[in-house]
Amino acid sequence: NAGVMQNPRHLVRRRGQEARLRCSPMKGHSHVYWYRQLPEEGLKFMVYLQKENIIDESGMPKERFSAEFPKEGPSILRIQQVVRGDSAAYFCASSPSSQETQYFGPGTRLLVL
Amino acid sequence: EDQVTQSPEALRLQEGESSSLNCSYTVSGLRGLFWYRQDPGKGPEFLFTLYSAGEEKEKERLKATLTKKESFLHITAPKPEDSATYLCAVMGSNYQLIWGAGTKLIIKP
Repeated sequence: NAGVMQNPRHLVRRRGQEARLRCSPMKGHSHVYWYRQLPEEGLKFMVYLQKENIIDESGMPKERFSAEFPKEGPSILRIQQVVRGDSAAYFCASSPSSQETQYFGPGTRLLVL
Repeated sequence: EDQVTQSPEALRLQEGESSSLNCSYTVSGLRGLFWYRQDPGKGPEFLFTLYSAGEEKEKERLKATLTKKESFLHITAPKPEDSATYLCAVMGSNYQLIWGAGTKLIIKP
């Protein structure tokens, strides 16, 4: 029973490039959440998605950031025109419903040069 | 405003020395309080969910308790492998998780 999978585990981008982070939820889970974690800081909610729908994107910057969870395939967090301040660990979590425990993936560590 | 505060920020214990971590919260319409463990370079690992005041849950050397204002994570006779950052989060009426900054626990052999 595979857990939440994220790839790539590490991603290096130069300023102005695009970053695409992928997340495959646990089997049977249709709710996906994205979080950002800066060094020595807590997790910050970014966006909550169900299949083909964005439920809550209140934590996601209005510009350059977007997320999707298509009917088929993984959820994608996309960051356009990355800046150094985007360097962080990005975690994906999934749950079977909105009220249940969220299970986390190993994260993608983004470094912007 | 929903808020979660964890204390202490860091805690150093000798192996076998029991202690407790605190998670104080203010939230409208608590739907659950969650404890996770996070090792360096890894994602948070789920430990416990507590739903109502008075509830307690145990797993090996860990025991989590919940009141209307705070939760405690008690660690009994810890071992070096219990060293990690312990994260607390609450879910309010909007189903969003609000996270504390964590307590970094170091257990010395």
